[in-house]
Amino acid sequence: RKEVEQDPGPFNVPEGATVAFNCTYSNSASQSFFWYRQDCRKEPKLLMSVYSSGNEDGRFTAQLNRASQYISLLIRDSKLSDSATYLCVVDTNAGKSTFGDGTTLTVKP
Amino acid sequence: ETGVTQTPRHLVMGMTNKKSLKCEQHLGHNAMYWYKQSAKKPLELMFVYNFKEQTENNSVPSRFSPECPNSSHLFLHLHTLQPEDSALYLCASSPWTSGSIDTQYFGPGTRLTVL
Repeated sequence: RKEVEQDPGPFNVPEGATVAFNCTYSNSASQSFFWYRQDCRKEPKLLMSVYSSGNEDGRFTAQLNRASQYISLLIRDSKLSDSATYLCVVDTNAGKSTFGDGTTLTVKP
Repeated sequence: ETGVTQTPRHLVMGMTNKKSLKCEQHLGHNAMYWYKQSAKKPLELMFVYNFKEQTENNSVPSRFSPECPNSSHLFLHLHTLQPEDSALYLCASSPWTSGSIDTQYFGPGTRLTVL
């Protein structure tokens, strides 16, 4: 089993749609969780950290479920500019981060 | 953005060549990382340096040799690479707080092609 697994995708949605991605992790001792965004042929950039209480940033909401060992990312009112690959990142050992394979989102007009 | 810079941006080399990738961060961070991203594969952590000390070597072949002379600079020395080493090599830095990972800031990457 992979340490970090993401929804395989790809997700193709119309503008304005709501879309959610999940990411499961295997190490119950993991402490830090992040969502990064990577545009085609660009470097990953932090989208948001994921806190135990959940957090929201505009149209983006991240949730953590420790009991089931997964994090989620919800995007509301999708924009064309949201098209990208979304990477889940989990610390599986102190100071070592593991990236998921990524979920590709395409938002269409 | 110029927080983390990498040079060169593109590199083509033969299997017998020796080359070096350079990374510099201007964010005052203490940790620096090398990642490899191959086509249709996830990011693979290669090396981690914390306060110039190597804290992680993720079973990387010896043909990749990292060097971290100070907290702001990180090099990846390459020699006798194989075609399967062709990939995007990304450098990242983070503030480093004990016990957990911090947000990592990535450079634009070096796209390496090994002929």
